[in-house]
Amino acid sequence: DAGITQSPRHKVTETGTPVTLRCHQTENHRYMYWYRQDPGHGLRLIHYSYGVKDTDKGEVSDGYSVSRSKTEDFLLTLESATSSQTSVYFCAIGGTGVQETQYFGPGTRLLVL
Amino acid sequence: SQKIEQNSEALNIQEGKTATLTCNYTNYSPAYLQWYRQDPGRGPVFLLLIRENEKEKRKERLKVTFDTTLKQSLFHITASQPADSATYLCALGGADSWGKLQFGAGTQVVVTP
Repeated sequence: DAGITQSPRHKVTETGTPVTLRCHQTENHRYMYWYRQDPGHGLRLIHYSYGVKDTDKGEVSDGYSVSRSKTEDFLLTLESATSSQTSVYFCAIGGTGVQETQYFGPGTRLLVL
Repeated sequence: SQKIEQNSEALNIQEGKTATLTCNYTNYSPAYLQWYRQDPGRGPVFLLLIRENEKEKRKERLKVTFDTTLKQSLFHITASQPADSATYLCALGGADSWGKLQFGAGTQVVVTP
């Protein structure tokens, strides 16, 4: 998985609780991305980062926030989890070029009850 | 709105035959297109990238075509093997998209001996 780890790998939480997912890379890539994957929807971009403290919204950013204080770590926070945020979350890293490939982490399976 | 369509029905194919997958898009002018493979419970893995000015790309038993007039990409797996069984995702990127990709929902391929 190209030096990308995600934690936790599985999480069950209750509606209304805050949740933070962590993505850690050892590749020193500038670009990092958070996606969610749901049946029938494919991967959808939540937020991305193009450098330390530089982040921007993706397609489905409502209810999510991110932070990147170090090159190697990209955190995704669900401020108040809802059942619609039950999903599999993938972190990805990209190279220096805008057309370079992305390398994905193993994913975090989140269940919001 | 932008739309990327991949056949949602699984493609069942006999070992040794060629599997052909389609990726159609609308309301989009991608600068490049990528294909990824995803195994159950794992993150996607990059396979091939093709740019808008390229008609065809090959890598071992894989071949991708890109027709910007038809707004379609075809992905071929020749001499398919049971190990090729997986879900295949297409992803489109724009010229100034900071590496942001739009993914299709994927097509599952099942290769039987």
